[in-house]
Amino acid sequence: ETGVTQTPRHLVMGMTNKKSLKCEQHLGHNAMYWYKQSAKKPLELMFVYSLEERVENNSVPSRFSPECPNSSHLFLHLHTLQPEDSALYLCASTGQLGNYGYTFGSGTRLTVV
Amino acid sequence: GQQLNQSPQSMFIQEGEDVSMNCTSSSIFNTWLWYKQDPGEGPVLLIALYKAGELTSNGRLTAQFGITRKDSFLNISASIPSDVGIYFCAGHGAGSYQLTFGKGTKLSVIP
Repeated sequence: ETGVTQTPRHLVMGMTNKKSLKCEQHLGHNAMYWYKQSAKKPLELMFVYSLEERVENNSVPSRFSPECPNSSHLFLHLHTLQPEDSALYLCASTGQLGNYGYTFGSGTRLTVV
Repeated sequence: GQQLNQSPQSMFIQEGEDVSMNCTSSSIFNTWLWYKQDPGEGPVLLIALYKAGELTSNGRLTAQFGITRKDSFLNISASIPSDVGIYFCAGHGAGSYQLTFGKGTKLSVIP
């Protein structure tokens, strides 16, 4: 498997559910990112991890909880989401922090009902 | 915060035509990047620019880092149907690890 792999590709969840998004990269990259893509809005950075440490949390509500157990895996844990959280969630990685040539995954299309 | 104004929002062109799109920023950027996103996929990096005035090509694509460091341009020559997609500019300035993205230019190519 090459590149950045995100699972699931699609997710429908109720507002009271708890679910997790998974991102995996085997590119040997040290920095990983979560972005939110909503219709007609620019990509919004959510979280930045470098060598498994969170280095930036872009004022994201606590109902989104990231986890980076190792440099190849990144999770986004979701609980008590709102309908306006419906969006495409994109994971990206780069060789190191400060390198902006991201490799993106295909995203998880999340619908909150 | 930093904002990027990307234009046009969308364009319909005939196959074989050349395409131009641009991004302007309210503040100075040190890096400009252009990405393309196909339906159902994540963005893919097309070109990265690191120096004011830099002109870089990738096949039929050419991008420039504006001299003022507040703008960038992407040109596509002799468009083909597979050029269809959404093109995003992105820039990085000092002070954070954040890339600022434009809202995208949706390109449609009429065969």
